[in-house]
Parts: sequence; structure tokens; C-alpha cells
Amino acid sequence: EVQLVQSGAEMKKPGESLKISCTTSGYRFNSNWIGWVRQMPGKGLEWMGMIFPGDSDTRYSPSFHGQVNMSVDSSISTAYLHWTSLKASDTAVYFCARRVGEAGWFDHWGRGTLVTVSS
Amino acid sequence: QSVLTQSPSASGAPGQRVTISCSGSTSNIGSNSVNWYQQLSGAAPKLLIYRNNQRPSGVPDRFSGSKSGTSASLAISGLQSEDEADYYCAAWDDSLNGVLFGGGTKLTVL
Repeated sequence: EVQLVQSGAEMKKPGESLKISCTTSGYRFNSNWIGWVRQMPGKGLEWMGMIFPGDSDTRYSPSFHGQVNMSVDSSISTAYLHWTSLKASDTAVYFCARRVGEAGWFDHWGRGTLVTVSS
Repeated sequence: QSVLTQSPSASGAPGQRVTISCSGSTSNIGSNSVNWYQQLSGAAPKLLIYRNNQRPSGVPDRFSGSKSGTSASLAISGLQSEDEADYYCAAWDDSLNGVLFGGGTKLTVL
């Protein structure tokens, strides 16, 4: 069974750094893109980007390029989303999802990680 | 602002059929397949339709998808109370070289 388990909720202050994780199981980690999707409070889904664990090829949405970093640790089948300096506007739920094909679809999703940034 | 346009809301009585539309352009829907996701309140999105009209295992055949040109539709027949959710269309965009989501449609079962 394919599973994506995300790290727990975080409460941070503006300017702090943060790395959240998405640990996968039940399939060959290096074979599928992992995407990240933001959902701000009361808003819709926004694609942030995705990373291919096999070679760490990464695609970022222009809206998020330079704002976050995506990485993987294939030895533990885990993908990461990293901020170096959080802003209050980063407050949102962040979902990771497994992608079928680069131009395909997200077939399995994590439950989301709530990130709250407040002074 | 989403490049895939969905009506913000839709509604129907139990047992009725509702249709949710998604409008795009030649660089996304016009040249790539459309996928639909269902998001129940407080939950993660769930894949509902992929490749325009394919249902993953476990999705009832009450849900169907179609695509024509630069638009796509999700139809839900025999509406049930548990169908009350937000529905999002999504497609790859060749200009963006990335994924576009629609703004979402909130479905209310009356």
C-alpha cells in the first residue's frame, strides 16, 4: 500500500527556518515525482513544484521559485520542503503527493502539514 | 489567480445530477489531460478522475469526466450528501512547464 506520511504541525516566528518532511512507503521511491501543494487558509490548491528522487531534478512554480527548496533523501524514501526565512504569508497547509508521470496526475497524497508563522 | 477557471460554487438535491466545469487554454487543457480532485472538509485532496475520464479503483461510477477542446467537465449523478466537498480540476501547462489547479468549486448538497 502506497503511503505518504507528513511531519507534524509547526509553529514558527517570521525569519525562522523550517524543513518539513514527507516519508513514503509501499512503492519504489526513486521512480515517481513528488509534488508539493500549498493551501492557504480558506483558499484553493496551489502547485509549488516537484522533485524527481531518481536524479533530484526539480521544477518550481514561478510563484515559489527562490522562496522554498525541495530535496530528497532516497536512503529513507523521504522528501523535504525547506524555508530559510519564513514569512507570515507562509501560513498554510502543505501537502506532498506522488505523481504519476511528469505531466500526469497526483495519485496519492499525504495528510498535510500545517505551518503557522506568527510573531 | 488560477488560469484554469471553475465556478466557485455548485449545488444540487440528493439524487440529482450536477456538472462542474473547468475552462483553460491551448497550453494546458487543450494539449494535456485533465484530472479532478475531491477535497472533503479538513481532509487531503483525493484523486477522483485522471486522464480526462478515468476513475481510480474505488471511485464510484457516479463520477465521470469529459474534455472537449480547452474545457473539461466533472459530472456527478445520483448526488449524495457525502459528495459535499470542494472539487478541483488540474492539468499540466506546457508554457508554465508545471501543474495548474483550478480555483475550486464548492459543491453543496441541498
